[in-house]
Amino acid sequence: GESVGLHLPTLSVQEGDNSIINCAYSNSASDYFIWYKQESGKGPQFIIDIRSNMDKRQGQRVTVLLNKTVKHLSLQIAATQPGDSAVYFCAENMATGNQFYFGTGTSLTVIP
Amino acid sequence: GAGVSQTPSNKVTEKGKYVELRCDPISGHTALYWYRQSLGQGPEFLIYFQGTGAADDSGLPNDRFFAVRPEGSVSTLKIQRTERGDSAVYLCASSLSRRDGYTFGSGTRLTVV
Repeated sequence: GESVGLHLPTLSVQEGDNSIINCAYSNSASDYFIWYKQESGKGPQFIIDIRSNMDKRQGQRVTVLLNKTVKHLSLQIAATQPGDSAVYFCAENMATGNQFYFGTGTSLTVIP
Repeated sequence: GAGVSQTPSNKVTEKGKYVELRCDPISGHTALYWYRQSLGQGPEFLIYFQGTGAADDSGLPNDRFFAVRPEGSVSTLKIQRTERGDSAVYLCASSLSRRDGYTFGSGTRLTVV
């Protein structure tokens, strides 16, 4: 199977600071990546995606960076808020595959 | 509907019993997925439907698991002879196409006692 791993299982940040969540993937054939946010008792929620023809994509307060050379993905959250507290998953997909492979997640805690 | 709806939200069943989990996807989404999530883990793929047909069921763990989507909308995941190891949150997701981001439902938490 595929391996999608996260460097840190937990991350605590002060409210207002920026957060960076990292993800390593192992399959160089993966060409589509998504970050999901999952709050307790809920399903994963789409945050932002990026395809392999890009190395950076920005959304509202979030930025995803893709480094295909080292097979690394990161999610940056600006001005982190208490509502950002959740588990964050990166997921990868290949053009020939029907499924996304998810990592184990990083738990983000925002300290007021 | 506005989102992906899954029922029931919680299901407790005895070992050996049969269960059905229902998913109502976003209207117009032709792609539908079932994933299973164990505590502290990311979701793991079970099956993918494109329209009415199961395009990829490679993630189903064994033949006790089966899923249908007879009219290309609502899907039912069926588990026979449940085992304690089947306890998990079963997530359904839908998307416009295979290569789009999913919208997940809130899941069904299945507990086998």
